[in-house]
Amino acid sequence: EVHLVQSGEEVKKPGESLKISCKTSGYIFTSYWIAWVRQMPGKGLEWMGMIFPADSETKYRPSLQGQVTMSVDETIRTAYLQWDNLKASDIAMYYCARLVGNSLDTWGQGTMVNVSS
Amino acid sequence: SSELTQDPAVSVALGQTVRITCQGDTLRNYFATWYQQKPGQAPILVIYGQNNRPSGIPDRFSASTSGNTASLTITGAQAEDEADYYCDSRDSSGNHYVFGTGTRVTVL
Repeated sequence: EVHLVQSGEEVKKPGESLKISCKTSGYIFTSYWIAWVRQMPGKGLEWMGMIFPADSETKYRPSLQGQVTMSVDETIRTAYLQWDNLKASDIAMYYCARLVGNSLDTWGQGTMVNVSS
Repeated sequence: SSELTQDPAVSVALGQTVRITCQGDTLRNYFATWYQQKPGQAPILVIYGQNNRPSGIPDRFSASTSGNTASLTITGAQAEDEADYYCDSRDSSGNHYVFGTGTRVTVL
């Protein structure tokens, strides 16, 4: 069975860095893109981008280019989403999900990121 | 702004049929995918491709497309179908994906 398990809730200050994780199991990690989806409080879903674990090719939503970094560690089947300079506008729930064809067939449980001084 | 537009909210009486629509020019070239999200939970996939349901999704969920409009139909809505529903598809560049604005379904 396919599982994506995300790291726990984070509370950070503006300007701090952060790396959240998405640990996968139950399938060939390098065969499918991993997408990251943002959901700001009370708002809808937003595609942030995706990464292909076999070669770390990334496709970022154009408006987010340079704001976040996606990466993977193939040895532990884990994808990461990283910020170097958190802002209050980064407050959101972040989901990872596996892309099969054109569909996100399995989702992580989400990681809540809070940013407050 | 989203390239896929959905009605913000719809309601349906228990056991009746409701159709949720998703409009966008890219739907003329790509199928929409549909997700259900209940409060406090991660989204789940309910329809993919032309009209395919993952294992475990009831057959009261179905999808169709006409022109630039994709539709998700719930035939015989149940109380547990009360949720937010999102479509997604490729964006105008074809290289990325975009979600619709989301529709909240209330079962009366």
